[in-house]
Amino acid sequence: DAKTTQPNSMESNEEEPVHLPCNHSTISGTDYIHWYRQLPSQGPEYVIHGLTSNVNNRMASLAIAEDRKSSTLILHRATLRDAAVYYCILRQSSGDKLTFGTGTRLAVRP
Amino acid sequence: EAGVAQSPRYKIIEKRQSVAFWCNPISGHATLYWYQQILGQGPKLLIQFQNNGVVDDSQLPKDRFSAERLKGVDSTLKIQPAKLEDSAVYLCASSLMPLGAETQYFGPGTRLLVL
Repeated sequence: DAKTTQPNSMESNEEEPVHLPCNHSTISGTDYIHWYRQLPSQGPEYVIHGLTSNVNNRMASLAIAEDRKSSTLILHRATLRDAAVYYCILRQSSGDKLTFGTGTRLAVRP
Repeated sequence: EAGVAQSPRYKIIEKRQSVAFWCNPISGHATLYWYQQILGQGPKLLIQFQNNGVVDDSQLPKDRFSAERLKGVDSTLKIQPAKLEDSAVYLCASSLMPLGAETQYFGPGTRLLVL
C-alpha cells in the first residue's frame, strides 16, 4: 500500500479554520485519498474522500494538489468536538483494507 | 440507520485465557473487517470477509486468533490463548462493497486488557 506522511500533532483555536496536510508522493493513478478521524474512545469515522478533484461535504473540504502528491483536509470552523486523530489514507480502486498510519492529533483551544 | 454493534465493550482477562468478541454489521453490508488498535497506533487490519468468505487474513496471528462469519452477517473474533501483547482495542467495520470509493463504518470497539 502507498504510504502517507502527516504531522504528529497540530493545534487550532475554536471557530478558526484548520488545514491538515498529508503527503503521498508515491500515490498511483487509481488510488483514492480518504480521511477518517477518531474521537477519544470511539471507532474511526469517515470524513471525506477524493480522487483528483477537490471535494466538499458537510464536515470538511478536501483540497488535492494537481500532481496528487499531497492533499489538505480543511475544517472551516473548528469546534471542540473536532479534537481527534485525523488519518489520511490511500486506498486502491479495487477496495480492500484501509492502512492507517499514526495520523495527526488535532487539539482545539477554546 | 443502526450502526455497527460490538460486544462486549470492555474485557479483562489473564494471559493464557480465551476471549471472544462479537460484531453485528450494518444491515446489507457484505464486507466486514476486524482491526486491532494498540495504544498510540492506528488500527491494523486482522481479517476481511466478503459475505462469509475470507478475503484477507494475512495479518491474523492464526496460531491464536480465529474469526468466522458463518451466515454472512454477524461475526466472532476469538483469541485462544491470550498474550499480554494482545491488549488493544478490537474494532469491527463494515461496508457495502470492497471498493476504493466505499466508506467503512466502524463500531465503538472492544477494549481488551490482558493481565
